[in-house]
Amino acid sequence: SQQGEEDPQALSIQEGENATMNCSYKTSINNLQWYRQNSGRGLVHLILIRSNEREKHSGRLRVTLDTSKKSSSLLITASRAADTASYFCATDSGGSNYKLTFGKGTLLTVNP
Amino acid sequence: NAGVTQTPKFQVLKTGQSMTLQCAQDMNHNSMYWYRQDPGMGLRLIYYSASEGTTDKGEVPNGYNVSRLNKREFSLRLESAAPSQTSVYFCASSFPHGLAGGSYEQYFGPGTRLTVT
Repeated sequence: SQQGEEDPQALSIQEGENATMNCSYKTSINNLQWYRQNSGRGLVHLILIRSNEREKHSGRLRVTLDTSKKSSSLLITASRAADTASYFCATDSGGSNYKLTFGKGTLLTVNP
Repeated sequence: NAGVTQTPKFQVLKTGQSMTLQCAQDMNHNSMYWYRQDPGMGLRLIYYSASEGTTDKGEVPNGYNVSRLNKREFSLRLESAAPSQTSVYFCASSFPHGLAGGSYEQYFGPGTRLTVT
């Protein structure tokens, strides 16, 4: 069953604008990860935030985690056409098997 | 360093035929995974192998079998393909167990597009 649910399902913005995607999950987690998938390609890891962290940055990416609300957000600043892709959150709910549960994704379109 | 490779890239099967999807990684990762991706469904875990010599069912294992041939290779077999198995299949691998615990990032292959008619 799906653990993470991204919101919105689709987002269309202009180049230079910021894009914010949200992820909600149901059970407690060890960490939460964000991945990007360009059309027809495999997923690429973007950033991992652990359950004891509240915010993390990587280049133009900013991820927040609120474990009390069981939610996370991914902010892409100054978006570019090359950021057009689907973005997925994935949660690790613990155990020794290192399984991730992926959400259904947000399709981001950045218009030039 | 090729990362995670998958073969074939595309495959068309008739109902009832069998096939094996191959996956290999050259990053010395312990854990390997098979997912399927269907429109609007995200990725769903079929089987995984936490370490060489072990395999376990994921969320949607019915109709599939796996073999962890060695540390590098993890294959997925469809014994009798059905139209419901039409999907894009991704293999992934992740770092070995570390002191910090928890999952590490997963590295994905390019996928296999399978159509069952």
